[in-house]
Amino acid sequence: EDKVVQSPLSLVVHEGDTVTLNCSYEVTNFRSLLWYKQEKKAPTFLFMLTSSGIEKKSGRLSSILDKKELFSILNITATQTGDSAVYLCAVVPNTGNQFYFGTGTSLTVIP
Amino acid sequence: ETGVTQTPRHLVMGMTNKKSLKCEQHLGHNAMYWYKQSAKKPLELMFVYNFKEQTENNSVPSRFSPECPNSSHLFLHLHTLQPEDSALYLCASSQEWTSGANVLTFGAGSRLTVL
Repeated sequence: EDKVVQSPLSLVVHEGDTVTLNCSYEVTNFRSLLWYKQEKKAPTFLFMLTSSGIEKKSGRLSSILDKKELFSILNITATQTGDSAVYLCAVVPNTGNQFYFGTGTSLTVIP
Repeated sequence: ETGVTQTPRHLVMGMTNKKSLKCEQHLGHNAMYWYKQSAKKPLELMFVYNFKEQTENNSVPSRFSPECPNSSHLFLHLHTLQPEDSALYLCASSQEWTSGANVLTFGAGSRLTVL
């Protein structure tokens, strides 16, 4: 059965800390992996990863995929209170309109 | 504003009521989705429409009935729901599957409470 597991489930850090969020997956016929940020509204798209070892970066956020070990990490450096959110990972197979989501990691950044 | 608009944002209904959730996208996408989001659970795919044709129905109870009159609009009709159906219902859209541009754009969700 295809599945996506995110860890940790929740995390509390102080402003300025660096955090690493993990996403491991077991999905046949892998096409891509997506990261989303969800505050109290719509999940917003962060990154799409398709190739191993190529880092995607946007400001203080970066992500990388390891297709051999079947995981991805999302790094946030110099965290700010505005980074507080649930971070969702989704894996997309090659077949069918299916996006397999993890339970998310709830990040709280305290001043 | 993501380009995907859901209404209503909040809905409280009794178990015998009939109500509908509405989703509209202004992104020119051809695929639309309903997801259910419950606390501490992964997003659950409910229905997928590609070019107005339903392509996925993940064993959703018949008290949930989707309707997709065109590629820009999607409805979820609700009838005789149960308290365990209380959740956030998210609508999303994407380019058509074979295009390879498979990134979901979500609406803000409709928070449903069933009493």
